[in-house]
Amino acid sequence: GESVGLHLPTLSVQEGDNSIINCAYSNSASDYFIWYKQESGKGPQFIIDIRSNMDKRQGQRVTVLLNKTVKHLSLQIAATQPGDSAVYFCAENIGFQKLVFGTGTRLLVSP
Amino acid sequence: GAVVSQHPSWVICKSGTSVKIECRSLDFQATTMFWYRQFPKQSLMLMATSNEGSKATYEQGVEKDKFLINHASLTLSTLTVTSAHPEDSSFYICSAREGQDQPQHFGDGTRLSIL
Repeated sequence: GESVGLHLPTLSVQEGDNSIINCAYSNSASDYFIWYKQESGKGPQFIIDIRSNMDKRQGQRVTVLLNKTVKHLSLQIAATQPGDSAVYFCAENIGFQKLVFGTGTRLLVSP
Repeated sequence: GAVVSQHPSWVICKSGTSVKIECRSLDFQATTMFWYRQFPKQSLMLMATSNEGSKATYEQGVEKDKFLINHASLTLSTLTVTSAHPEDSSFYICSAREGQDQPQHFGDGTRLSIL
């Protein structure tokens, strides 16, 4: 069935470190992937997306890597800051219709 | 850009009442809006997909007569929880996207508490 899952439920890092959040997906037909950040009591905030015809995309301090061979997605955050503390979700877009969200990873950044 | 406003942010009401939640795209026209439900420390679960001017498509297990969705314009969708009961208490979040190949942008959610 359709599923998007994460390996690590909680990731703790020191301020200034680089963070890597991983995500596995199961639907090989998925062609669009999005990372969202959700702070407590708020809705998910779009971070970065990537289409299946790419394997890497960079934004401001963030990089998303896509490995279609092993159906793996990762979000790299450079120079992590306390304000990056949140829950991060990967989401898989199936046929450009609906999103399937992963279980989420909580990122804790210590000053 | 791509701001989605959701109102109200917090609702407390008695069992048996109906509650309406609004979702607006402020700076773009949303051909499609989505409604999600999220329990504490869990991921988002899609309830229904709403296209402007047509009936919503509900996910399996979601009662369409319980959760009424109206998408009357390209900037507004509403979710009405009818005859709400304590088990309907949850965090409801809407999203909107401008086009089929565009990311969904989310509102800040509505915390619904039924007493």
